[in-house]
Amino acid sequence: EAGVVQSPRYKIIEKKQPVAFWCNPISGHNTLYWYLQNLGQGPELLIRYENEEAVDDSQLPKDRFSAERLKGVDSTLKIQPAELGDSAVYLCASSLGGQFEAFFGQGTRLTVV
Amino acid sequence: LAKTTQPISMDSYEGQEVNITCSHNNIATNDYITWYQQFPSQGPRFIIQGYKTKVTNEVASLFIPADRKSSTLSLPRVSLSDTAVYYCLVGDGGSQGNLIFGKGTKLSVKP
Repeated sequence: EAGVVQSPRYKIIEKKQPVAFWCNPISGHNTLYWYLQNLGQGPELLIRYENEEAVDDSQLPKDRFSAERLKGVDSTLKIQPAELGDSAVYLCASSLGGQFEAFFGQGTRLTVV
Repeated sequence: LAKTTQPISMDSYEGQEVNITCSHNNIATNDYITWYQQFPSQGPRFIIQGYKTKVTNEVASLFIPADRKSSTLSLPRVSLSDTAVYYCLVGDGGSQGNLIFGKGTKLSVKP
């Protein structure tokens, strides 16, 4: 069975440009997470979905970040416009919810120049 | 959510047993303790989870004392490939259900 799939793996954009990341979770996983990870730091939660509902987006910078999970399966995270400080790895994870283990994708490394 | 405290880094040699302790003084009754491992350029990977006493799987053991205010991840006979960052998470996965990561412990295994 395929794991969590993220694309692209790497993205380089100029500041003020938009960028989007895509995540395909494990089939049947209702819970989906987006994280941001800076070098040398632990992952920071941006948003958590239960099916298609964003149940916690308190850490999502809503002035420039947006996310959606249509039909409760795939999810897209968007940044518009990107800033230099947005350079980081963006991780997607999915789980069956509750105490079940979460499975992470390999992440998208974003570089804003 | 209970806050966790772990050592920033640890060094070990191949073949040794490594114990990484995590403090979580404010753990709630319904909270579980979960450990993840992360290699460079990869997402974190689940290692082990427990509620009390001892849990063992093919990768590690997790020791949790009766007061549950700390836990110890034990890696038997580490190899170079165990060099990674290890994160301790505490939560009930219920209504909050968020996986909150700290800075983790960077384990370096030397030959």
